[in-house]
Amino acid sequence: QQQVKQSPQSLIVQKGGISIINCAYENTAFDYFPWYQQFPGKGPALLIAIRPDVSEKKEGRFTISFNKSAKQFSLHIMDSQPGDSATYFCAASIETSGSRLTFGEGTQLTVNP
Amino acid sequence: TAGITQAPTSQILAAGRSMTLRCTQDMRHNAMYWYRQDLGLGLRLIHYSNTAGTTGKGEVPDGYSVSRANTDDFPLTLASAVPSQTSVYFCASSGSSNQPQHFGDGTRLSIL
Repeated sequence: QQQVKQSPQSLIVQKGGISIINCAYENTAFDYFPWYQQFPGKGPALLIAIRPDVSEKKEGRFTISFNKSAKQFSLHIMDSQPGDSATYFCAASIETSGSRLTFGEGTQLTVNP
Repeated sequence: TAGITQAPTSQILAAGRSMTLRCTQDMRHNAMYWYRQDLGLGLRLIHYSNTAGTTGKGEVPDGYSVSRANTDDFPLTLASAVPSQTSVYFCASSGSSNQPQHFGDGTRLSIL
């Protein structure tokens, strides 16, 4: 049973557009929600993260929106660029239990020039 | 450059053979993790270690074992490989429970 469900599985957007990836979780004990970016042949790299005490976090073109009551969070990539083409993973963890991450299934993003 | 080194980068292994995937970090991180990545399933935790000398089971531990004799090294062993263990394996580390995880570049393992 997937505790963190991610959608869509793949996404194609035009350069300059907005990319939106959604995740939903089941375990209400989760208290740390990172997003990872992975390029082919490389390991995932932390992109941005949020904790449930805030509803939104923005870093440059990347924004996480968090809805605690709905147990959902999403990644928005503004002004998407071809260099953003990668696989994105949402994840969740319980920090007091050692931050073992539970990942979503991943979204393959392609940004066309 | 500081980080995580995984070896080998890829390997083809006959079913029934044993294999140890190596992972070394030079960041003096306390916690280390092993994940497997499969298409459509994301990354799933196999085993973890919160500090040298301790290990724990993750979501998919069956068929795998780990050891943590020192801070820097966290090898993953497949005692008798099966085709379902064909995957990309990632090692990660973090400084503490509230710090982000850093990943290596993975080992692509094919079991035939």
